Amino acid sequence: NAGVTQTPKFQVLKTGQSMTLQCAQDMNHEYMSWYRQDPGMGLRLIHYSVGAGITDQGEVPNGYNVSRSTTEDFPLRLLSAAPSQTSVYFCASSYWDPRTGTQYFGPGTRLLVL
Amino acid sequence: AQTVTQSQPEMSVQEAETVTLSCTYDTSESDYYLFWYKQPPSRQMILVIRQEAYKQQNATENRFSVNFQKAAKSFSLKISDSQLGDAAMYFCAYRSPDNYGQNFVFGPGTRLSVLP
Repeated sequence: NAGVTQTPKFQVLKTGQSMTLQCAQDMNHEYMSWYRQDPGMGLRLIHYSVGAGITDQGEVPNGYNVSRSTTEDFPLRLLSAAPSQTSVYFCASSYWDPRTGTQYFGPGTRLLVL
Repeated sequence: AQTVTQSQPEMSVQEAETVTLSCTYDTSESDYYLFWYKQPPSRQMILVIRQEAYKQQNATENRFSVNFQKAAKSFSLKISDSQLGDAAMYFCAYRSPDNYGQNFVFGPGTRLSVLP
């Protein structure tokens, strides 16, 4: 059972480059989300999706795009990388109904923007 | 909007002793869910314990238990018989009962060190 997978594990970008962080889950979860983790700030929500074809912004969406064409996949796109986007990125998924459980996290992607 | 506060950036505990990590939250909702997550050096986020607000009984999971005070909006985590493997960042999280929206909010975390 793979759970939530993320690729790559580590990436170095130059300012202005673009890239896509991949996220996939095999638990048939409706809800998927992307967080960034910075020292002393916990996890902050970037974008989320409540199902295929439905996405919305979180707390810190600027500079990021998402799409959800399937239930399983939820890629995060950095349009033009900036040093302020250096962070650890986590993808997470859960069932729509909060009574059914909790959020499961991927292993994270460490991104360094030079 | 809901907020989650963890007032202890760092804590330490002697191996085999007991430690309590604090968490407070702000919400106007009456029904919600609270969580403690552990993040070891591997960075993997691991669920430690979950509490439903409508349940008055405090949740327990082996050596981990919570003290849930709904009126005070407090949700502390007690770790008994601390082990070296308990050393990690611990995040308190709040989940809204809404099925749509930004329904998870995390605190800034507490770094726990376990001393041999």
